[in-house]
Amino acid sequence: AQTVTQSQPEMSVQEAETVTLSCTYDTSENNYYLFWYKQPPSRQMILVIRQEAYKQQNATENRFSVNFQKAAKSFSLKISDSQLGDTAMYFCAFTDHSGGGADGLTFGKGTHLIIQP
Amino acid sequence: KAGVTQTPRYLIKTRGQQVTLSCSPISGHRSVSWYQQTPGQGLQFLFEYFSETQRNKGNFPGRFSGRQFSNSRSEMNVSTLELGDSALYLCASSFQGAANEKLFFGSGTQLSVL
Repeated sequence: AQTVTQSQPEMSVQEAETVTLSCTYDTSENNYYLFWYKQPPSRQMILVIRQEAYKQQNATENRFSVNFQKAAKSFSLKISDSQLGDTAMYFCAFTDHSGGGADGLTFGKGTHLIIQP
Repeated sequence: KAGVTQTPRYLIKTRGQQVTLSCSPISGHRSVSWYQQTPGQGLQFLFEYFSETQRNKGNFPGRFSGRQFSNSRSEMNVSTLELGDSALYLCASSFQGAANEKLFFGSGTQLSVL
């Protein structure tokens, strides 16, 4: 079974700083997908960024980028120029490409990120 | 375009009762997934529906069931409620439910079982 581990339950940084959230996963599959989702107090999960395992280039979305190390099974999220609106729970998630249909995402336990003014 | 809508937002039930939660996906989306979120277990996949058919199911007892209608709206039912069923239930939709697709989540239904 796949597992996703987020070792940082909570992090706090000052506004405008750069912060990195860590995530490791375990799978025997070769083709899979990794995601970072954000859950603000409104409870609605929002996709931040996604990475396809067969792509070596790290994904980037504006201030958000990932460091994907396939051999190490590591998928960290870097937030540059952090903003107060980035305060939220961040979940790392994994799904593989086995079979048809949505097998569902496997989520980590989350990191509560607090951006201080 | 309206987002994913879940009703009700909050629900209080007692042990032994049953409950039905509703999810309306984004227009044009045919895949609907359900997740349970608790402080202890985190987010766990319940099941996924596509074109009225359940394609995949997570590791939950048979008390948890669902269905999808021809307009892609989905309902989730939990029978014989237990205290441990207290959770935030999140629904997510996507166009086809492909593994690499972005999921659009609703704001969830907070279920409290007393």
